[in-house]
Amino acid sequence: QKEVEQDPGPLSVPEGAIVSLNCTYSNSAFQYFMWYRQYSRKGPELLMYTYSSGNKEDGRFTAQVDKSSKYISLFIRDSQPSDSATYLCALKMNRDDKIIFGKGTRLHILP
Amino acid sequence: EAGVTQFPSHSVIEKGQTVTLRCDPISGHDNLYWYRRVMGKEIKFLLHFVKESKQDESGMPNNRFLAERTGGTYSTLKVQPAELEDSGVYFCASSQQANTEAFFGQGTRLTVV
Repeated sequence: QKEVEQDPGPLSVPEGAIVSLNCTYSNSAFQYFMWYRQYSRKGPELLMYTYSSGNKEDGRFTAQVDKSSKYISLFIRDSQPSDSATYLCALKMNRDDKIIFGKGTRLHILP
Repeated sequence: EAGVTQFPSHSVIEKGQTVTLRCDPISGHDNLYWYRRVMGKEIKFLLHFVKESKQDESGMPNNRFLAERTGGTYSTLKVQPAELEDSGVYFCASSQQANTEAFFGQGTRLTVV
């Protein structure tokens, strides 16, 4: 069983829609949960960082972690064409541990 | 402030040849990481330097890969001899502390033919 499962997409939604991106994971030892955004030919950049279960909001982005279900989500409100990118979920067991990435979901926001 | 810089951006080599990738971390960042993404797979951890010391090299696939960080500044990742399955994108990242945000470079796309 893979450590992290993420649907690679692509996911195409119209501009202004709410986008929901998700990952599941298998190891309950993960405590730190992140979402990275990666534009074409660029490196991943950190978008959201959460510890343990709960919600975290930053502008149009909301990250949710449900440790009981081993399920993490990223919601994007009022999606813009500039949000078109690959979104990678990422997890760590400890704060100074290596990052375990999901495969990434390719998102297209249609103008 | 300059970000993490990687050279070259793209390299095409023949199977059996040697390639050296370079990473210049953000100035002052003691922690330097190498990750790679092979076709169709996740980005996977290769190793972690703290200054010039290898903190964790558990992700290095085999002894054809050699990473160095002499002087604790830039790092090189040498693949010798390269095999077809080494093709992918190699990312470098750096952070001030091991528990702070790691900033990624744009990656080096390696193609072994």
